[in-house]
Amino acid sequence: ILNVEQSPQSLHVQEGDSTNFTCSFPSSNFYALHWYRWETAKSPEALFVMTLNGDEKKKGRISATLNTKEGYSYLYIKGSQPEDSATYLCASSNSGYALNFGKGTSLLVTP
Amino acid sequence: GAVVSQHPSRVICKSGTSVKIECRSLDFQATTMFWYRQFPKKSLMLMATSNEGSKATYEQGVEKDKFLINHASLTLSTLTVTSAHPEDSSFYICSARGAGARETQYFGPGTRLLVL
Repeated sequence: ILNVEQSPQSLHVQEGDSTNFTCSFPSSNFYALHWYRWETAKSPEALFVMTLNGDEKKKGRISATLNTKEGYSYLYIKGSQPEDSATYLCASSNSGYALNFGKGTSLLVTP
Repeated sequence: GAVVSQHPSRVICKSGTSVKIECRSLDFQATTMFWYRQFPKKSLMLMATSNEGSKATYEQGVEKDKFLINHASLTLSTLTVTSAHPEDSSFYICSARGAGARETQYFGPGTRLLVL
């Protein structure tokens, strides 16, 4: 894998559903994996930065896992709420430097 | 979390003019600032990296004479698009990283540039 790939491209769920997205990244020269939440007309909000294989982080109803050997990360949202609607960006970095972004997963949660 | 502002949020200009975009870290000192660009349906792509007081490092394919970057203080970086053309129309967004937070980059809200 040369680029950061995210799937699905978009997702539409009902309020209360749990959901998850995937981020695939180059495993060579890996330093850190970043997840951001980006609402329209706002700044991307940093959710997680993960560096260790097997790492799992949690922030409220959102959690993320990391597999650096196979080059993937999952983001989970438990009990989705309309305010979770946003684009979720994943980015990898080498040596803690510039970020290489995926195209994002656009999530829409309807009541 | 740390706050980064960006100004202007939107700008429309005529072809051939220059446009300056400001990026400010409001509550921390940004030793490194990054400038990204996003075309429709594409990923955020890094244009250049700037460290306070030194010249910016540009990514391959980004013209340094066209996209002038100045990082004169620990809280301000500017990107000037010189002699803008319609193909420069894009979404430009900056991020900043402090000396103590090696991994996390904090983003501004971005600038939508339209060159007519």
